[in-house]
Amino acid sequence: EAQVTQNPRYLITVTGKKLTVTCSQNMNHEYMSWYRQDPGLGLRQIYYSMNVEVTDKGDVPEGYKVSRKEKRNFPLILESPSPNQTSLYFCASNLRLGINNEQFFGPGTRLTVL
Amino acid sequence: GQQVMQIPQYQHVQEGEDFTTYCNSSTTLSNIQWYKQRPGGHPVFLIQLVKSGEVKKQKRLTFQFGEAKKNSSLHITATQTTDVGTYFCAGQVGSSGSARQLTFGSGTQLTVLP
Repeated sequence: EAQVTQNPRYLITVTGKKLTVTCSQNMNHEYMSWYRQDPGLGLRQIYYSMNVEVTDKGDVPEGYKVSRKEKRNFPLILESPSPNQTSLYFCASNLRLGINNEQFFGPGTRLTVL
Repeated sequence: GQQVMQIPQYQHVQEGEDFTTYCNSSTTLSNIQWYKQRPGGHPVFLIQLVKSGEVKKQKRLTFQFGEAKKNSSLHITATQTTDVGTYFCAGQVGSSGSARQLTFGSGTQLTVLP
């Protein structure tokens, strides 16, 4: 089944404790991105990747890192989480932005930073 | 940077009534997409509009893209309880090869009262 998976689905952590949220897609998509969703603010893009080893900042990249070593995986790294990073995070993939723009979203990761 | 404004933020309707949500971009878009997010779920792609003045229909849903390609609307005729959720538009600036990001509107949360 074609899908985007994220892990963990729920995470409660403390300020400053490094964490990684994994994202994987099995559709051979080139484009992947991370969004955070906060009430009243919609979906804001954190980072995106056009292809392997090609990543760039989205609208709200501060406090986050990403890597794209393989086409299928796009982990989101919070080196030193802070309470303002408490949010619902979505990973999404797309065949190739500009050609077919349907974004496939993962199920989401709800992160709480205490 | 590019902004996509979406109104209203919330809409409560009686089952059977119509519903419309609007998106306005600060810049001309190459295309616009619409997504639906059910409560507790992830955004799911509904449709993409590309041409100026384009109108597309999916059963009771009608999507329009403005002549200037800076605004769009989603209209639902005779709402049903299954229409409950948050509807997002997402605009893209730049055509194939130069496209980098989608900018999402803040969403319209639709409640349908039985």
